[in-house]
Amino acid sequence: SYVLTQPSSVSVAPGQTAKITCGGNNIGFRNVHWYQQRPGQAPLLVVHDDDDRPSGIPERFSGANSGNTATLTINRVEAGDEADYYCQVWDSDSGRGNVVFGRGTKLTVL
Amino acid sequence: EVQLVESGGDLVQPGGSLRLSCAVSGVSFSDFWMHWVRQIPGGGLVWVSRISADGATTTYADSVKGRFTISRDNAKNTLYLQMNSLRVEDTSVYFCARDHPGSSSVVLDVWGQGTTVTVSS
Repeated sequence: SYVLTQPSSVSVAPGQTAKITCGGNNIGFRNVHWYQQRPGQAPLLVVHDDDDRPSGIPERFSGANSGNTATLTINRVEAGDEADYYCQVWDSDSGRGNVVFGRGTKLTVL
Repeated sequence: EVQLVESGGDLVQPGGSLRLSCAVSGVSFSDFWMHWVRQIPGGGLVWVSRISADGATTTYADSVKGRFTISRDNAKNTLYLQMNSLRVEDTSVYFCARDHPGSSSVVLDVWGQGTTVTVSS
């Protein structure tokens, strides 16, 4: 089955840029989606289809995907961005299909 | 506003059964594929199952295949997850989520707040 690899943690100072990576074999050929999950809350979709933002998500959040790495970039990081971030793809190669999540990256705002 | 509200989580003994529900409002429920995703406290997200808009097509993670059944009642705007032969490792918060209609991929754009299932003797 398809595996997504994320760093367990990323730390950044307020106002700086955070980059969270998601590695996978030829992930550039897949659509990658990103979710934010604050403690005690449900996941929130922040980027879909590599680089699209749902309505209501700040422009500070952006995505890119190429080769074996997808990246979520958060510009001008705020304290409220502190959360776990998960990448996700649809693995249509496995049987009838499978939603695959990365193991998540904890973003700490210093 | 689209709202998903899960219910049915409980403490159950190993080998027992439980049915989760997800009530959907604010959207034409019968137009969308739906999913169940679970999360161990302090752990990551794990996809469980999905069902087509008309209920005719279902898919399961290998870890629950043969034990869990996803279904829906479009007249009641409700999604279900019947869980049988429960194991300690099924202990999780269970989320229902909507499949994003505007994507060419499978992406979950609206989530409920989750319901907690604890399997323990």
